[in-house]
Amino acid sequence: KQEVTQIPAALSVPEGENLVLNCSFTDSAIYNLQWFRQDPGKGLTSLLLIQSSQREQTSGRLNASLDKSSGRSTLYIAASQPGDSATYLCAANYGGSQGNLIFGKGTKLSVKP
Amino acid sequence: DVKVTQSSRYLVKRTGEKVFLECVQDMDHENMFWYRQDPGLGLRLIYFSYDVKMKEKGDIPEGYSVSREKKERFSLILESASTNQTSMYLCASSLIGQGVSGYTFGSGTRLTVV
Repeated sequence: KQEVTQIPAALSVPEGENLVLNCSFTDSAIYNLQWFRQDPGKGLTSLLLIQSSQREQTSGRLNASLDKSSGRSTLYIAASQPGDSATYLCAANYGGSQGNLIFGKGTKLSVKP
Repeated sequence: DVKVTQSSRYLVKRTGEKVFLECVQDMDHENMFWYRQDPGLGLRLIYFSYDVKMKEKGDIPEGYSVSREKKERFSLILESASTNQTSMYLCASSLIGQGVSGYTFGSGTRLTVV
């Protein structure tokens, strides 16, 4: 069964710290992997998309990596800010052009001023 | 800016009512999806569609149906709402072949069935 796991479920850090969120997937035959941010009561905002042929993607203070052989992806957030507080979800796409996403249950990040 | 728009942010409906959740995207995406999100269970796929008038069951289709009469619009229908359908509903769209676009989600509809 294809599963996506995110550990830890919750993380609290002081402002300014660099941090890493982890995502693991059971089947390495992914099409791509996407990281999302979700604020309380809101929809999902796409942060980064990594195709299966790529090793990493960067956007501003965010860097996502993908290691298919080990079944892992990480989201690195540099110089964290209170505004980064949210739940971060990773999702693996196994279905190709018409596939749906397999989601992890998320890591709830709290950045303390 | 490209968008997926869900018509309602909050809905309160009575048990047994027929409920329509509407989703519109302006990106000319072929694929559209409906998920529900519940605490501890994460996001679960209800239905998806890869073309007009086409639909496929997801992981939890029971109690739901969908309609896709136009490419840009994908409706989720609760035939007879029940309290266990109280949830956050999220619509998403994507291109066939994915490319660099990934999935785009709407803002969600928080449905409460009383």
